[in-house]
Amino acid sequence: DAGITQSPRYKITETGRQVTLMCHQTWSHSYMFWYRQDLGHGLRLIYYSAAADITDKGEVPDGYVVSRSKTENFPLTLESATRSQTSVYFCASKWGSTAGANVLTFGAGSRLTVL
Amino acid sequence: DQQVKQNSPSLSVQEGRISILNCDYTNSMFDYFLWYKKYPAEGPTFLISISSIKDKNEDGRFTVFLNKSAKHLSLHIVPSQPGDSAVYFCAASDSGTYKYIFGTGTRLKVLA
Repeated sequence: DAGITQSPRYKITETGRQVTLMCHQTWSHSYMFWYRQDLGHGLRLIYYSAAADITDKGEVPDGYVVSRSKTENFPLTLESATRSQTSVYFCASKWGSTAGANVLTFGAGSRLTVL
Repeated sequence: DQQVKQNSPSLSVQEGRISILNCDYTNSMFDYFLWYKKYPAEGPTFLISISSIKDKNEDGRFTVFLNKSAKHLSLHIVPSQPGDSAVYFCAASDSGTYKYIFGTGTRLKVLA
């Protein structure tokens, strides 16, 4: 399927476990992003990437790890999940850095619950 | 420190009337702004954008206004429709860093 897909859509895990959220896009967009959505905080940027093997921290990176070995994939890993990481996670991408390429396209989200 | 703020968590408007959603930012380096709409259990979808070289951009029922001196932008929806009921996020970007900072969102309810 064309577009940007996230998996799993729903995940329940326990404190201390490792969890990986997957993000895959079929457009060969250069830029990819991870956000989390929490009540009262809106969408907060966790990590972003300008290209394969180039990643950078966003507003709330602590407790998360990302990698980007291929342009189309941008997995987000919680190495030791905590209850405060219960959230809805959104992956997004855009193709370039110019003004005309500045529209982010989002995936449908992954709802993570940490017990 | 919240660089992009939407101070109204919610807004209710009658169908057919104008909806005005506001957004303030603090970083003077921001030069590109976007509005997104989000329905429950879906990802945000792009609505309209504006560059800092403009002060207004229109797309059908949606108009975004930018006041750079006040570091303020607003989204006008005219006329409002029940299908517009959603959470609206504004976002700002500094083209030097290409990352986007979002506001906390405003939940719009359009009453039939």
